[in-house]
Amino acid sequence: DSGVTQTPKHLITATGQRVTLRCSPRSGDLSVYWYQQSLDQGLQFLIQYYNGEERAKGNILERFSAQQFPDLHSELNLSSLELGDSALYFCASSGQGFRSPLHFGNGTRLTVT
Amino acid sequence: DQQVKQNSPSLSVQEGRISILNCDYTNSMFDYFLWYKKYPAEGPTFLISISSIKDKNEDGRFTVFLNKSAKHLSLHIVPSQPGDSAVYFCAASASYAFGNEKLTFGTGTRLTIIP
Repeated sequence: DSGVTQTPKHLITATGQRVTLRCSPRSGDLSVYWYQQSLDQGLQFLIQYYNGEERAKGNILERFSAQQFPDLHSELNLSSLELGDSALYFCASSGQGFRSPLHFGNGTRLTVT
Repeated sequence: DQQVKQNSPSLSVQEGRISILNCDYTNSMFDYFLWYKKYPAEGPTFLISISSIKDKNEDGRFTVFLNKSAKHLSLHIVPSQPGDSAVYFCAASASYAFGNEKLTFGTGTRLTIIP
């Protein structure tokens, strides 16, 4: 158990809809990262938050947004969903030490029909 | 643009033998490398890392080797055990990035240990 909790585990929705993925980091971790894993692809970095502030951005679509709340949990919002957005979405958190390893949740599998 | 490449999608090794997983990278700014292991229905789990100032790092049965001139790293598992059957991801980051953001992952190698 990594200590990172992601909900829901599975999500099935239709094209054009909006969904919210939730992540609770490990206790004490201030950084939260979101990654997307599409079929046969590696994990693609989307965005990082540190203590409530956006710290780094990857190839995140404009239809996607994220935030980190004062209690450090994070939400990833995906809107105007397309079939190609079907993927596994992972959240990870890390400690404050330099290059602390990322600890991943078990992911949310999103299926857009 | 695949900056971290794992060219072998799968690998089968007999129990007790050595497993060698390979990874190549193209970005010369990468200076920190990690291996993650992933079981089905779980998130990736950190296994071992290496900084570019080293060429080898060992942790129990796991050893990572880094060849900077060839932009190549490998993970050796010896002896291989059935519980090592998983997908292994290579990842890299650059020192201009704060902490571990923008970890760039390879596409993974599925390792199967044959009893």
